[in-house]
Amino acid sequence: RKEVEQDPGPFNVPEGATVAFNCTYSNSASQSFFWYRQDCRKEPKLLMSVYSSGNEDGRFTAQLNRASQYISLLIRDSKLSDSATYLCATRNPRGYNKLIFGAGTRLAVHP
Amino acid sequence: SQTIHQWPATLVQPVGSPLSLECTVEGTSNPNLYWYRQAAGRGLQLLFYSVGIGQISSEVPQNLSASRPQDRQFILSSKKLLLSDSGFYLCAWRPARNNEQFFGPGTRLTVL
Repeated sequence: RKEVEQDPGPFNVPEGATVAFNCTYSNSASQSFFWYRQDCRKEPKLLMSVYSSGNEDGRFTAQLNRASQYISLLIRDSKLSDSATYLCATRNPRGYNKLIFGAGTRLAVHP
Repeated sequence: SQTIHQWPATLVQPVGSPLSLECTVEGTSNPNLYWYRQAAGRGLQLLFYSVGIGQISSEVPQNLSASRPQDRQFILSSKKLLLSDSGFYLCAWRPARNNEQFFGPGTRLTVL
């Protein structure tokens, strides 16, 4: 089983829709969770950290469910510019400040 | 503010040729530095990380090596490239007190 798993998608949604992605992790001792956005042929860019109590940044909301070992990213009022691949990452509890990344979920927002 | 540079941006090399990719960070000191590879349609694979000058940890056995000759410089090398070395190579840095990592623009390597 992979340490971090994501549905590869693609998620095809119309503009204005609300879409949510989940990311499951296998190690219950995992700490520090993140969502990155990666545009085609570009580097990943940090979208937001995920806090235990959940956090929101504009149209983006991140949640952590430790009991079920997953994090989620909710995007409200989707824009065409939200089309990208979304990577989740968790800090490796066994490693020295290393992050383990999921393979990403692709989102395509259409007019 | 901090910035991270990588060069070259793209590279096409024949099998068996050497490789040297460079990564430099500005605006910070004593960062943790990381090399990742992303194969087409795949996730990020951590190759090497460094917590200081001359300190390199390797994550996976391979024909690549890394060096950190200066605090803010991280180099990825190979003596002889394989076809399987093709991919998108990303350097990342982590501030001393945070867990987030920030990526450079990457080098797209094609081995023919």
